[in-house]
Amino acid sequence: AQSVAQPEDQVNVAEGNPLTVKCTYSVSGNPYLFWYVQYPNRGLQFLLKYITGDNLVKGSYGFEAEFNKSQTSFHLKKPSALVSDSALYFCAVRAYNSGNTPLVFGKGTRLSVIA
Amino acid sequence: KAGVTQTPRYLIKTRGQQVTLSCSPISGHRSVSWYQQTPGQGLQFLFEYFSETQRNKGNFPGRFSGRQFSNSRSEMNVSTLELGDSALYLCASSGGVNTEAFFGQGTRLTVV
Repeated sequence: AQSVAQPEDQVNVAEGNPLTVKCTYSVSGNPYLFWYVQYPNRGLQFLLKYITGDNLVKGSYGFEAEFNKSQTSFHLKKPSALVSDSALYFCAVRAYNSGNTPLVFGKGTRLSVIA
Repeated sequence: KAGVTQTPRYLIKTRGQQVTLSCSPISGHRSVSWYQQTPGQGLQFLFEYFSETQRNKGNFPGRFSGRQFSNSRSEMNVSTLELGDSALYLCASSGGVNTEAFFGQGTRLTVV
């Protein structure tokens, strides 16, 4: 069964500094990988995805993520953090081209950007 | 186009009661998934429906059930509610396994 690990419950970063939110995954075969963000009392909003192709994926609001197959990682990054980026971030994985496995999420990482 | 709609937004129920939550997916989306979100546990997968058939099921007791209708709308039911069922229940729809899921705002269930 596939799984996602987000090793940090909380990440603190100063505004203007680069940020990284870590994600590693386990799946049989190739993965589909996603990042979502959740603001208080809201559902999840899609940020970006890796399906195939270029390992560096660019998404919404200046976020990007790099797929690393050998390290089974898909870390979320942003060159310059904003206070408005403070939210809960979720990484998710699904087995490639499989309708028989669900989209599985990590436990989430709370990002706090300090002015 | 309209997003994923979940109703109701908030519910308060008593232990032992049962509850039904509703989800209307984005038009054209045939896949609907349900998740339970609690602090510290992240999003735990409940089940996924595709074209009225349950395609995947998470590790939840039989008190949790769901269904999907021919118009892709989905409901989930929780019977004999327990205090631990208090959570945010999220519904997501997608157009295919290779595409991103779109989430509703969730139903906040409180069991007292």
